[in-house]
Amino acid sequence: DQQVKQNSPSLSVQEGRISILNCDYTNSMFDYFLWYKKYPAEGPTFLISISSIKDKNEDGRFTVFLNKSAKHLSLHIVPSQPGDSAVYFCADPGGNQFYFGTGTSLTVIP
Amino acid sequence: NAGVTQTPKFRILKIGQSMTLQCAQDMNHNYMYWYRQDPGMGLKLIYYSVGAGITDKGEVPNGYNVSRSTTEDFPLRLELAAPSQTSVYFCASTGTINTGELFFGEGSRLTVL
Repeated sequence: DQQVKQNSPSLSVQEGRISILNCDYTNSMFDYFLWYKKYPAEGPTFLISISSIKDKNEDGRFTVFLNKSAKHLSLHIVPSQPGDSAVYFCADPGGNQFYFGTGTSLTVIP
Repeated sequence: NAGVTQTPKFRILKIGQSMTLQCAQDMNHNYMYWYRQDPGMGLKLIYYSVGAGITDKGEVPNGYNVSRSTTEDFPLRLELAAPSQTSVYFCASTGTINTGELFFGEGSRLTVL
């Protein structure tokens, strides 16, 4: 079975510092992963993705790294801003379904 | 720019009542999904559809039913509501699986008392 796991339910970071959110996976069909961001009382929104042909994808302050041998991906946010405070989910789209991690709640302290 | 629209946003049900959560998308997406999110938990798939007339169970389908008579609409029906169905429900759609992103609605918060 495909699974994605986020082992850190929460993370607190000072404004301006780096935030690193981690995700482990098993049995991914396509080694393609997405990160979603969710604010309270809103639906998740797509943030950034990475495919197996790359080990890094960068979009402004957000960078996702993929380590296929370790079956691990991470999202780096630099510099972190208070508006980044949200729940972040990693997701693995495989077959007809999307598999989500349990999320990491990021708090950026001003 | 409607995207995925869910109604209602909030609802309180009594145990044993039934209701339908509505979901509509205007992006001509074939793939549609219903998730629930419980406090401190991730998104659990209830049902999904790969096109009009085709639906399939996800991880937690018990107590729910769906239909997909059109590409645009994917309603979720709760029969005999139970307190365990208190949750936030999200509908999502995509035009491309495997490498495509999901577009989510804003959610429907359901409380069963």
